[in-house]
Amino acid sequence: DIQMTQSPSSLSASVGDRVTITCQASQDISNYLNWYQQKPGKAPKLLIYDASNLETGVPSRFSGSGSGTDFTFTISSLQPEDIATYYCQQYDNLPPEYTFGQGTKLEIK
Amino acid sequence: QVTLRESGPALVKPTQTLTLTCTFSGFSLSTSGMCVSWIRQPPGKALEWLARIDWDDDKYYSTSLKTRLTISKDTSKNQVVLTMTNMDPVDTATYYCARIRGQAYSSGWYLGYFDYWGQGTLVTVSS
Repeated sequence: DIQMTQSPSSLSASVGDRVTITCQASQDISNYLNWYQQKPGKAPKLLIYDASNLETGVPSRFSGSGSGTDFTFTISSLQPEDIATYYCQQYDNLPPEYTFGQGTKLEIK
Repeated sequence: QVTLRESGPALVKPTQTLTLTCTFSGFSLSTSGMCVSWIRQPPGKALEWLARIDWDDDKYYSTSLKTRLTISKDTSKNQVVLTMTNMDPVDTATYYCARIRGQAYSSGWYLGYFDYWGQGTLVTVSS
């Protein structure tokens, strides 16, 4: 099984800050890496798919990069509504298996 | 407009079988490339993928839970059902269903991410 290591587990930042979250896979997953935002009491929401593609309707301050084993999720200018927990997720297709990172809880300073 | 909604019991006893239903609209599970998965989240913990059913009725399960899970679909009712046997308090979680929108490539289908989710249903396992 492929393991995902996401860091940090929590993060405190100020409005307007640039925020970066990383996710490392235990083996090469090409660009099969996605990022989700989950606000308290709500279902996760897809933000970034295939490592760097912005889902329709998602603000452009969100971005993703990386391939192979190392991936980065960035919020270019943190907004108050971005307070949430963020998860990375990888896809392995032989056999199909989906693995999520442990999550990063983002708070406002 | 794509929507998914989970339904099922809020409370089950240890050793019982859990049956959850995902009722969806805005897409058809008979369309090539469409899949529905179940994902759960224990309180305060991370997400865990459970199972997937595809448009062609192929079914896949989490390696760690495959002996306890069964997924099925009723295309005419736009429903996907998940059963989990031998429930235990550690199975207490919010259970989500989510859609996968596949992308076709010459080498096959890419079914890598969940683009729409239901609101989730909290299932507590307790005697």
